[in-house]
Amino acid sequence: SQTIHQWPATLVQPVGSPLSLECTVEGTSNPNLYWYRQAAGRGLQLLFYSVGIGQISSEVPQNLSASRPQDRQFILSSKKLLLSDSGFYLCAWSRLAGPQETQYFGPGTRLLVL
Amino acid sequence: DQQVKQNSPSLSVQEGRISILNCDYTNSMFDYFLWYKKYPAEGPTFLISISSIKDKNEDGRFTVFLNKSAKHLSLHIVPSQPGDSAVYFCAASAEGSNYKLTFGKGTLLTVNP
Repeated sequence: SQTIHQWPATLVQPVGSPLSLECTVEGTSNPNLYWYRQAAGRGLQLLFYSVGIGQISSEVPQNLSASRPQDRQFILSSKKLLLSDSGFYLCAWSRLAGPQETQYFGPGTRLLVL
Repeated sequence: DQQVKQNSPSLSVQEGRISILNCDYTNSMFDYFLWYKKYPAEGPTFLISISSIKDKNEDGRFTVFLNKSAKHLSLHIVPSQPGDSAVYFCAASAEGSNYKLTFGKGTLLTVNP
């Protein structure tokens, strides 16, 4: 069976500090990978998605970036965090094949920028 | 422009009764719809989905109905249980969109014992 891991679970960072959140998927190959953010009182906003190693698409302009150094590893980064980066960050995966595929989410990382 | 709308931020029902969660969409290219359940500080859990070629899909206590002409879908939970209390998100995707999901803002369901 497939599992998706995210770490850390919780992170408190000062404004201006760097960020690195990691997501890994087990039990599948060539997944589509996604980063979402849920800000307080809002829905899930897609930040990045990746259809393969080194292939990253950005959905919204921001000071965040994403990388996919390995097939089942997806990293969300920032060089300098802003207060507005606080939120709940979710990684998700889906199978590559098929026009209608369900996305499965990881446990999330709660980020608080002070 | 919010393409997937969940107009009720919250819903409260009695245990054993039916819960009906609603979702409207504006993009006629959407052809796949999903419902997720989310507890606080956890990732969303996939519940049930429906393709645009169907108007109903059932899985145990959960049934999703799709009305394409009205661009409306609903999730029915029967009977509702206290453990169903969570935020429910409606999501949609369109063929050729690289499987990107567009989410509504969610509805908080509270099932009272």
